[in-house]
Amino acid sequence: AQSVTQLDSQVPVFEEAPVELRCNYSSSVSVYLFWYVQYPNQGLQLLLKYLSGSTLVESINGFEAEFNKRQTSFHLRKPSVHISDTAEYFCAVRYDRGSTLGRLYFGRGTQLTVWP
Amino acid sequence: AAGVIQSPRHLIKEKRETATLKCYPIPRHDTVYWYQQGPGQDPQFLISFYEKMQSDKGSIPDRFSAQQFSDYHSELNMSSLELGDSALYFCASSSRIITGGNYGYTFGSGTRLTVV
Repeated sequence: AQSVTQLDSQVPVFEEAPVELRCNYSSSVSVYLFWYVQYPNQGLQLLLKYLSGSTLVESINGFEAEFNKRQTSFHLRKPSVHISDTAEYFCAVRYDRGSTLGRLYFGRGTQLTVWP
Repeated sequence: AAGVIQSPRHLIKEKRETATLKCYPIPRHDTVYWYQQGPGQDPQFLISFYEKMQSDKGSIPDRFSAQQFSDYHSELNMSSLELGDSALYFCASSSRIITGGNYGYTFGSGTRLTVV
């Protein structure tokens, strides 16, 4: 079975604290990995992606994620969060082989709430 | 930069009515994907088109149909609407040529369908 697991449905943190949103996937083939952010009543915005090469990828607003093939994980981290980071975060995977080429499989999402 | 345009943004329909959602991909993108996101749920893949041909099919009800036209825009037609069809419907587009086969996804802001 192919799936994406986000281990935490809700993560509350205080402003300027570090945060990690966990994502694990299951796959027997190569994958491409993505993190999307969704603000209330808005669409999905690509935060960062791993396609190949360096396993550590970064976004322009301070988030980073590391692809760990051995642990089949793609956890999202930020060393110091801001209130504006409050949003729903979705981890997604696309498989590199087979008839579902192109389709994204999403995790159930993690609601990050940053408190002042 | 041009983004994926979806219309309408909001749509209210009664049970058993028909709805048509439209998606205009980014210029030169040749692939369109449709996703459904129920309240509090992760996005679920419905269907995709590449060069106006259906390329992949997910959990799309038989009451739904979709197509991609010669100008690459796509329409999702939903008939005999049910209360459970109330959701946010996303369209995404990508290009196999521009991104060298790695499928950079761009999502639209979505159409919120409410069935009453």
